[in-house]
Amino acid sequence: AQTVTQSQPEMSVQEAETVTLSCTYDTSENNYYLFWYKQPPSRQMILVIRQEAYKQQNATENRFSVNFQKAAKSFSLKISDSQLGDTAMYFCAFMNRRPMNRDDKIIFGKGTRLHILP
Amino acid sequence: GAGVSQTPSNKVTEKGKYVELRCDPISGHTALYWYRQSLGQGPEFLIYFQGTGAADDSGLPNDRFFAVRPEGSVSTLKIQRTERGDSAVYLCASSSVWGTEAFFGQGTRLTVV
Repeated sequence: AQTVTQSQPEMSVQEAETVTLSCTYDTSENNYYLFWYKQPPSRQMILVIRQEAYKQQNATENRFSVNFQKAAKSFSLKISDSQLGDTAMYFCAFMNRRPMNRDDKIIFGKGTRLHILP
Repeated sequence: GAGVSQTPSNKVTEKGKYVELRCDPISGHTALYWYRQSLGQGPEFLIYFQGTGAADDSGLPNDRFFAVRPEGSVSTLKIQRTERGDSAVYLCASSSVWGTEAFFGQGTRLTVV
């Protein structure tokens, strides 16, 4: 069974600093997706960034980037120039890619609570 | 609306009662997911639909939980004989068959007293 592990329950950084959230996963599959989701107090889960396992290039979305190490099964999220609005729970997630474009369920880690301090 | 809609947003029920939670996915999305999220935890998978059929219901904790999606659009999560341990936020998400991004609703907070 696939598992996702986030080893940092909580982190705090000063505004404008860079912060890295860790994630490791376990799977025997070769074709899959990895995600980082943000969940602010409003409960709305928002996709931050997505990585396809077959792509070697790390995904980047503005201030958000990932360090994807497939052999090590590691998928960390880096937030540059952190802003107060980045304060939220962050979840790392995994999904198998199935044939016929029918994907599998998304498996989430337990999350990291990130506080951006003014 | 354009997003995933879940109703009610909050539900308080007495132990032993039956509840139904509704999810309206984004129009045209064939995949629909239900998750349960306890306080301070990550979403826990319950069930996943492709169209009208449950592609994977391995996350349903016991036979008190059941979900349907009769026309491949709206889904209802049904919980019988509710217990205090069922208290959580129930999240619904949908995605298109060609896409990989799952769009989430704002959840239903269920409180069993």
